[in-house]
Amino acid sequence: EPEVTQTPSHQVTQMGQEVILRCVPISNHLYFYWYRQILGQKVEFLVSFYNNEISEKSEIFDDQFSVERPDGSNFTLKIRSTKLEDSAMYFCASSDPGQGYEKLFFGSGTQLSVL
Amino acid sequence: GQQVMQIPQYQHVQEGEDFTTYCNSSTTLSNIQWYKQRPGGHPVFLIQLVKSGEVKKQKRLTFQFGEAKKNSSLHITATQTTDVGTYFCVRRGSTLGRLYFGRGTQLTVWP
Repeated sequence: EPEVTQTPSHQVTQMGQEVILRCVPISNHLYFYWYRQILGQKVEFLVSFYNNEISEKSEIFDDQFSVERPDGSNFTLKIRSTKLEDSAMYFCASSDPGQGYEKLFFGSGTQLSVL
Repeated sequence: GQQVMQIPQYQHVQEGEDFTTYCNSSTTLSNIQWYKQRPGGHPVFLIQLVKSGEVKKQKRLTFQFGEAKKNSSLHITATQTTDVGTYFCVRRGSTLGRLYFGRGTQLTVWP
């Protein structure tokens, strides 16, 4: 089955530093998402992206966050100035509503640790 | 609000026992999805329920959607160690792909 791939699998950074998390969605999918999961907690929506623009963002997705699709395959999440509370597992996902319903395919995640 | 409530939070069973997790919403749902997350893994889509009273089966897993479309359940018959993980019920938001995950039920299966 096709997969969403994410790199790196782990990222350690100092507070205040910028990080870029990378994702390659499934090739024929048109809708892309970022979710995050703080250790032991539920999965939370950050942002959805379609047709080269943000469709919706949550209250977590403030001015420190941005997303980009720099080419035909990659989808990135940038955190400009990381905070301790940004430490979490970040999941990229993609979907193809042509299947008839909202089945999201999640990547394996990037574990972000902010020190 | 938009959240769905899930119980129990944790469940420990002996291999071969049955397991059920319940999901409740204060508002009527257009549909409900279930995802499974293995320890250290990522959420994997299991199923979507849309119709009132709908029941769907996947091998040993039985999913139900309540008549009022405010609750759902997942029942696993004769659990196996491969069933270990966290099961999330998930409701959709107002836009495509915005999902609201419940807190999940973490299932442990003792051999």
